[in-house]
Amino acid sequence: TQLLEQSPQFLSIQEGENLTVYCNSSSVFSSLQWYRQEPGEGPVLLVTVVTGGEVKKLKRLTFQFGDARKDSSLHITAAQPGDTGLYLCAGERANTGFQKLVFGTGTRLLVSP
Amino acid sequence: DSGVTQTPKHLITATGQRVTLRCSPRSGDLSVYWYQQSLDQGLQFLIQYYNGEERAKGNILERFSAQQFPDLHSELNLSSLELGDSALYFCASSVSAGNTIYFGEGSWLTVV
Repeated sequence: TQLLEQSPQFLSIQEGENLTVYCNSSSVFSSLQWYRQEPGEGPVLLVTVVTGGEVKKLKRLTFQFGDARKDSSLHITAAQPGDTGLYLCAGERANTGFQKLVFGTGTRLLVSP
Repeated sequence: DSGVTQTPKHLITATGQRVTLRCSPRSGDLSVYWYQQSLDQGLQFLIQYYNGEERAKGNILERFSAQQFPDLHSELNLSSLELGDSALYFCASSVSAGNTIYFGEGSWLTVV
């Protein structure tokens, strides 16, 4: 059973386009993290959101945690080829600590020049 | 470079065999985590150690075992391997639970 569903699974766009990736669950999480994984490497943490409704920005990336802490979104403005990679959301269930992060199904992004 | 070192990077072995994957955490990190990433299951948490002691267990099969040694490096032992065990196995480390987790580059295991 996959607790965190991401959509879309795959996204191929041109440089300069905007995109949004969604991470949805029926479970409540005490915090949610977004990672980017590039070929041949492990996931790298981009951001952690902990408060319902919280919005965080990282350059051209905007992350939002749903009010009910069951979902999150990642919006990329003016995508660049360097944004290409696998984007993973990961939720921390309440009182379990980061060691039991539940990862989403992943969104594979390809940005072409 | 996350500072987490995993060996070997690639491994091909036959069904029924046993392999050991090794991980050196970042300097100063006491927690080590093992994850399995496959196409159909995504990234799954297997097990966590903190300063030599097991702290949390996830979807780890009974054929798999792990340990963390006094020097804090960790090993994941996979036995009676099956075709379905083919996956990318990640080690990650953090100072302690609740801190940022840093992933290694993974060990690609192919069971033939």
